[in-house]
Amino acid sequence: QVQLQESGPGLVKPSQTLSLTCTVSGGSFNSGHHYWSWIRQPPGKGLEWIGYIYYSGTTYYNPSLKSRLTISVDTSKSQFSLKLSSVTAADTAVYYCARVPMNTAMVFDYWGQGTLVTVSS
Amino acid sequence: DIVMTQSPDSLAVSLGERATINCKSSQSVLYSSNNKNYLAWYQHKPGQPPKLLIYWASTRESGVPDRFSGSGSGTDFTLTISGLQAEDVAVYYCQQYYNTMYTFGQGTKLEIK
Repeated sequence: QVQLQESGPGLVKPSQTLSLTCTVSGGSFNSGHHYWSWIRQPPGKGLEWIGYIYYSGTTYYNPSLKSRLTISVDTSKSQFSLKLSSVTAADTAVYYCARVPMNTAMVFDYWGQGTLVTVSS
Repeated sequence: DIVMTQSPDSLAVSLGERATINCKSSQSVLYSSNNKNYLAWYQHKPGQPPKLLIYWASTRESGVPDRFSGSGSGTDFTLTISGLQAEDVAVYYCQQYYNTMYTFGQGTKLEIK
């Protein structure tokens, strides 16, 4: 059974960089059959897709975040990471990592529990 | 971007009754080469991650009860919950994966009347 777990600071100061890591267990990370994605949900609002990465390092980003966003992968640790620079209060959200299967419907079929990141001084 | 608009924003349904949630996309999510609608539905309960219910507009994910069904094509879609149960209280989202810039609807909050 695939499991994803987000980790990282829960509080980030404005103008700094938000950094999160997602650790994947259950054996599918290096199979080449999935993309690995980040999604966020600001308090009281809906879901926003951030971007995703393939195990080879190929990335796809939400254009609205692209200038501030870096998603990277560490296949040796079955992890992928998110870095969002120059954060403001608008980046306060629950951040989820999720799996996207490539060979069927490219939807989010497994999710981490999510981690709340607050941007505040 | 493809804008996804759900209706209603919230609804209250009696236990055992039918709940219907609508989703409209700003452009068609039907891919003509394979005749598939690139539309999914998720259930989101407080304190939990969203759960995939339906993809290809009408295919239930493994393990999802058959009281959940999806229908529609092109730009107009419906999620139907037949025989509402207490555990179905949640926010429901539609999502298009027609293009790489994935977008979600704003969500529909389902409560028990």
